[in-house]
Amino acid sequence: EVQLVESGGGLVQPGGSLRLSCAASGFTFSNYEANWVRQAPGQGLEWVSYITTSGSSTYYADSVKGRFTISRDNAKNSLYLQLNSLRAEDTAVYFCARDGYHYYAFDIWGQGTMVTVSS
Amino acid sequence: EIVMTQSPATLSVSPGETATLSCRASQGVRSNLGWYQQKPGQAPRLLIYGVSTRATGIPARFSGSGSGTEFTLTISSLQSEDFAVYYCQQYNNWPRTFGQGTKVEIK
Repeated sequence: EVQLVESGGGLVQPGGSLRLSCAASGFTFSNYEANWVRQAPGQGLEWVSYITTSGSSTYYADSVKGRFTISRDNAKNSLYLQLNSLRAEDTAVYFCARDGYHYYAFDIWGQGTMVTVSS
Repeated sequence: EIVMTQSPATLSVSPGETATLSCRASQGVRSNLGWYQQKPGQAPRLLIYGVSTRATGIPARFSGSGSGTEFTLTISSLQSEDFAVYYCQQYNNWPRTFGQGTKVEIK
């Protein structure tokens, strides 16, 4: 079964850090670009970051640029998001999502992991 | 940044009827437009990519159309499982942006 499973969410204080992981299975992870998307409570979807298959290129939303870092380990079939200098407005469910093969809509999503930034 | 504007915010439809959802981009996105369905407590699911191509396993009652800056998702003969929030997304430019969503509710 093609699957993405996130982990690493939790409660963190403002200014703190967290590392999210996304484990891929059921497909050749190294063949697909990947993304992180977040959804604040009761709100819509916000794209956060993207990484190419090799990890050589990355893109970020302005709201997280300089604070978040996306990375991947193809040998471990894993995607990561390092969250630093966290703010209350970063509170959200974080989803990892796969780009479709030869198209760039997000065809596979994980179930999400909740990040809460609060003192 | 390309702003995606969806209308209406909420659509009340009776089962068996047709729902028409609109999405407007602040600038042209060519064919790089997708639609997603999200139910409460679940991850989004890809319905349509490339404006009009249904994703794997998506029923034929879902159809997408449009070009340039104006796009439409049509859901024919609404089933109970179709009541959800729908998002459009452009992936033509960085940052990739979503619309704010249209909630399709039971009338």
